[in-house]
Amino acid sequence: DAVLTQTPLSSPVTLGQPASISCRSSQNLVHSDGNTYLNWLQQRPGQPPRLLIYKISNRFSGVPDRFSGSGAGTDFTLKISRVEAEDVGVYYCMQVTQFPRTFGQGTKVEIK
Amino acid sequence: EVQLLESGGGLVQPGGSLRLSCAASGFTFTTYAMGWVRQAPGKGLEWVSTISENGINTHYADSVKGRFTISRDNSKNTVHLQMISLRVEDTAVYYCARDVGVVMYDYWGQGALVTVSS
Repeated sequence: DAVLTQTPLSSPVTLGQPASISCRSSQNLVHSDGNTYLNWLQQRPGQPPRLLIYKISNRFSGVPDRFSGSGAGTDFTLKISRVEAEDVGVYYCMQVTQFPRTFGQGTKVEIK
Repeated sequence: EVQLLESGGGLVQPGGSLRLSCAASGFTFTTYAMGWVRQAPGKGLEWVSTISENGINTHYADSVKGRFTISRDNSKNTVHLQMISLRVEDTAVYYCARDVGVVMYDYWGQGALVTVSS
């Protein structure tokens, strides 16, 4: 199984400042079709998860451009260029390259 | 507009059974594999199961294999999760989502709460 390890697990951030979350996989996530199916999800309190980024770096429809994803192979990063109050929540990386699908432990982003 | 609506959650005793349903609308259901993901209270996300577009191929997490069965009815745009031999540790909100497609796990339902307790 591809174990996803996120760091940090908690990220207190000042409004308007950047935030960065790392996701490291125990296995290479490149699919046989050449794509890397690594998603980033946001979960606000009391809400279902929401897709932010798919295939490492593609912003999903309606996602603000302050969110960006990067990485390759086993190391991936989600960056928020300037944190806003509505960004408070838990962020998960998720791999959909192989079964079983797996998630990182989640990173809680909160305002200082 | 893509919509996924789960139903069938509730309180059940350990060892009991429950069947969750997810009604899909707003997209061509037969072109998407569908998945279930759960979240125990205060915990992270855990993938549970996926079924292929035509219902032939299924996958399960080890934690539910042999106890949960995923199925779909493409004539009704619905996916089901039959759960038997439920355990306290199966207590969670269960979400359905689009799995394999152009973009994976792009849309999620609001979730159905399953509570296993005596």
